[in-house]
Amino acid sequence: NAGVTQTPKFQVLKTGQSMTLQCAQDMNHEYMSWYRQDPGMGLRLIHYSVGAGITDQGEVPNGYNVSRSTTEDFPLRLLSAAPSQTSVYFCASSYSIWTPEPYEQYFGPGTRLTVT
Amino acid sequence: GENVEQHPSTLSVQEGDSAVIKCTYSDSASNYFPWYKQELGKRPQLIIDIRSNVGEKKDQRIAVTLNKTAKHFSLHITETQPEDSAVYFCAAIRGGADGLTFGKGTHLIIQP
Repeated sequence: NAGVTQTPKFQVLKTGQSMTLQCAQDMNHEYMSWYRQDPGMGLRLIHYSVGAGITDQGEVPNGYNVSRSTTEDFPLRLLSAAPSQTSVYFCASSYSIWTPEPYEQYFGPGTRLTVT
Repeated sequence: GENVEQHPSTLSVQEGDSAVIKCTYSDSASNYFPWYKQELGKRPQLIIDIRSNVGEKKDQRIAVTLNKTAKHFSLHITETQPEDSAVYFCAAIRGGADGLTFGKGTHLIIQP
């Protein structure tokens, strides 16, 4: 198993550009999510999905879109990049979240994004 | 929503000594508490977790304790080694919630 994979590893964008961060998992996990990590802020939830065709917003969703057409893939789209979106982005997956007790989450290697 | 506070932000200990990192949470319905270790430039890696029906869990040199009444949980690392140097994050979640709520992290420095 490759686990959770993310591409690209690094990306530099100009303000106003759009792009898609890719995330895939091969563990047949129902739950997938995107976090951003900023210095001194921990990780904050952007969007999440509890299954194919179902997505919802997390704590910091503004400026980002997601879709979940398959169980394996959960891309994150930046609509019009801003310097405030400079961050490290992590995708995570879990067997399920909608159970009385959550399952552990596995993280991808991250994408380091710089917006100039 | 859930709020997780983590202390200290930086912890420096001598190699071989013990390290303790503490977290508090606000949502009494939270029932899963993982700890992640993150080395520079790497992804967060789960090192230990605890569920609300357990008070303590150990895995070799690492242990986690949970006090549901006080809504706090702690990570204990004994006989610290240079490879323990990293940033450690606590997190909390309840079943059916949207995602993990993380503390802001503790930079653990092991002095030789």
